[in-house]
Amino acid sequence: TQLLEQSPQFLSIQEGENLTVYCNSSSVFSSLQWYRQEPGEGPVLLVTVVTGGEVKKLKRLTFQFGDARKDSSLHITAAQTGDTGLYLCAGSTGGGNKLTFGTGTQLKVEL
Amino acid sequence: EAGVAQSPRYKIIEKRQSVAFWCNPISGHATLYWYQQILGQGPKLLIQFQNNGVVDDSQLPKDRFSAERLKGVDSTLKIQPAKLEDSAVYLCASSVHPVGTEAFFGQGTRLTVV
Repeated sequence: TQLLEQSPQFLSIQEGENLTVYCNSSSVFSSLQWYRQEPGEGPVLLVTVVTGGEVKKLKRLTFQFGDARKDSSLHITAAQTGDTGLYLCAGSTGGGNKLTFGTGTQLKVEL
Repeated sequence: EAGVAQSPRYKIIEKRQSVAFWCNPISGHATLYWYQQILGQGPKLLIQFQNNGVVDDSQLPKDRFSAERLKGVDSTLKIQPAKLEDSAVYLCASSVHPVGTEAFFGQGTRLTVV
């Protein structure tokens, strides 16, 4: 079983602060995705990274895929209350293998 | 484009009863997933279909859970008999291909077993 451990599990910060969420595994993934989930909804894709060392930016969000393709990070600059949600990383391997989700990071951004 | 449709949205049953969930994926999506999500945790894959064939069901409790995807389109997930620990949100997702492409999720079915 491919395990994806996220840290921290919970994060409560003030608006305007920066934060980083980590996603770690002992397995190598051909691609890694980050999703955000709001209460009562399914997860929604934020980004997909496929190359070791790749960095992608989405407005205030910066995603990095580790060189060995075993880990990833999500950095949010100047968090806003609208960033509140459950952040999930998900890894997939080649050959049609399953899409495995991480343990999740619950982020709460307060005024 | 219509999204992934799931029904029902909510279900409350007594333990030892049976329940079924239905999923209609996005048209043309070959891959369909069923996930179980405990509140505040990441989704756990129960079963993955590629068209109407099973790609992975290693974490499906086969003594009580079953799933099928007839004609490679709609899918149903059944639990019989249900246990208290089955209380969770059951999410269905679909994607064009299984690897590296976006998985689109339905809103899920919240199951409460009492």
